[in-house]
Amino acid sequence: GDSVTQMEGPVTLSEEACLTINCTYTATGYPSLFWYVQYPGEGLQLLLKATKADDKGSNKGFEATYRKETTSFHLEKGSVQVSDSAVYFCALSTGTASKLTFGTGTRLQVTL
Amino acid sequence: DAGVIQSPRHEVTEMGQEVTLRCKPISGHDYLFWYRQTMMRGLELLIYFNNNVPIDDSGMPEDRFSAKMPNASFSTLKIQPSEPRDSAVYFCASTHWVGTNTGELFFGEGSRLTVL
Repeated sequence: GDSVTQMEGPVTLSEEACLTINCTYTATGYPSLFWYVQYPGEGLQLLLKATKADDKGSNKGFEATYRKETTSFHLEKGSVQVSDSAVYFCALSTGTASKLTFGTGTRLQVTL
Repeated sequence: DAGVIQSPRHEVTEMGQEVTLRCKPISGHDYLFWYRQTMMRGLELLIYFNNNVPIDDSGMPEDRFSAKMPNASFSTLKIQPSEPRDSAVYFCASTHWVGTNTGELFFGEGSRLTVL
């Protein structure tokens, strides 16, 4: 079956540091890949997505590139802010009406 | 525009009691999902509906859990009887399928359930 593996957190960074959160996947078929973000006390919201190999999704300074050869979709940001503190979920979908398989989430804490 | 609306936001109940969680999806969305989030198991899909019809309930943990969608603007998730291990945050999410795999689910703010 489909699965997503994320690096375990929490990840603690100082403001303006570089961020990488690793994500790898296993899927039957050709998945679309997503990063969702959950701010404290809120539901998840879509951060970025990529639907085919070598696509780069980007939003709010975050980027992730769909790497089919390594089955990866790592999330990166060059300079994090305190407001980026949240839980980040990698997810995939193999076509059934947006039915998503989520990773376990990685908590990011950014300090001044 | 109103997002996905869930109620109650917080529920504290005693073991054995019935719990009903409610969800109003975004108008025009034809898919509705119920997820459960816990520290131990992360985010789990419980059940999802298409045009008010349950499509996949394989994630429902046991017979104590049931979900209904009587119309396009309302769904319930019921736990009867509740147990302490049901304590979690329950999320409802909805989307509109346009024939391509956009993957964008719109989540509510969740219902935090504590069973004592």
